[in-house]
Amino acid sequence: EAQVTQNPRYLITVTGKKLTVTCSQNMNHEYMSWYRQDPGLGLRQIYYSMNVEVTDKGDVPEGYKVSRKEKRNFPLILESPSPNQTSLYFCASSFEQGPQETQYFGPGTRLLVL
Amino acid sequence: AQKVTQAQTEISVVEKEDVTLDCVYETRDTTYYLFWYKQPPSGELVFLIRRNSFDEQNEISGRYSWNFQKSTSSFNFTITASQVVDSAVYFCALSEAGNRDDKIIFGKGTRLHILP
Repeated sequence: EAQVTQNPRYLITVTGKKLTVTCSQNMNHEYMSWYRQDPGLGLRQIYYSMNVEVTDKGDVPEGYKVSRKEKRNFPLILESPSPNQTSLYFCASSFEQGPQETQYFGPGTRLLVL
Repeated sequence: AQKVTQAQTEISVVEKEDVTLDCVYETRDTTYYLFWYKQPPSGELVFLIRRNSFDEQNEISGRYSWNFQKSTSSFNFTITASQVVDSAVYFCALSEAGNRDDKIIFGKGTRLHILP
């Protein structure tokens, strides 16, 4: 089954304690991306990756790091989380076939930073 | 700078009515992509469509249709004969650059209520 998995699904942590949210896809997609969703602010892109070892900043990259060492994984790293990073996070992967594109989203990770 | 405006914050219609969700975008690029996404009450995100700026043909997929008009910088989404399962928040989005090597910007979303 084609899917994007994220772990953990829920996380409560404290300010400053490094954490990683994993994202994995089993579809051999080249493009992967991270988003955060906040009430009133909607969806915002954090980082994206066009392929292995190719990453770039989205709209709100501050406070986040990513890596793309292999095609299937795209972890989101919060080196020193702060309360303003409390949010719902989505990972996504996509592929293009000619003019068409198909995107798949993970189920989301709800993060609370105290 | 790119910008996406979904002026309708919330819409309620009775089941079986047609409904159109508006999306107006701003970009200085001539090459860009437009997207629509659905987020039902369960919270997951569902990709609906991507449209290239060079392709102004309208798209129809079942009860869903999209009207792309460059002249008005709009990419509107219509649901025909709406159903309760269409109740969701719908997001429009824009990505500049033709080969997707640029960030994506979302509108604030339109919350659609389909009343039985």
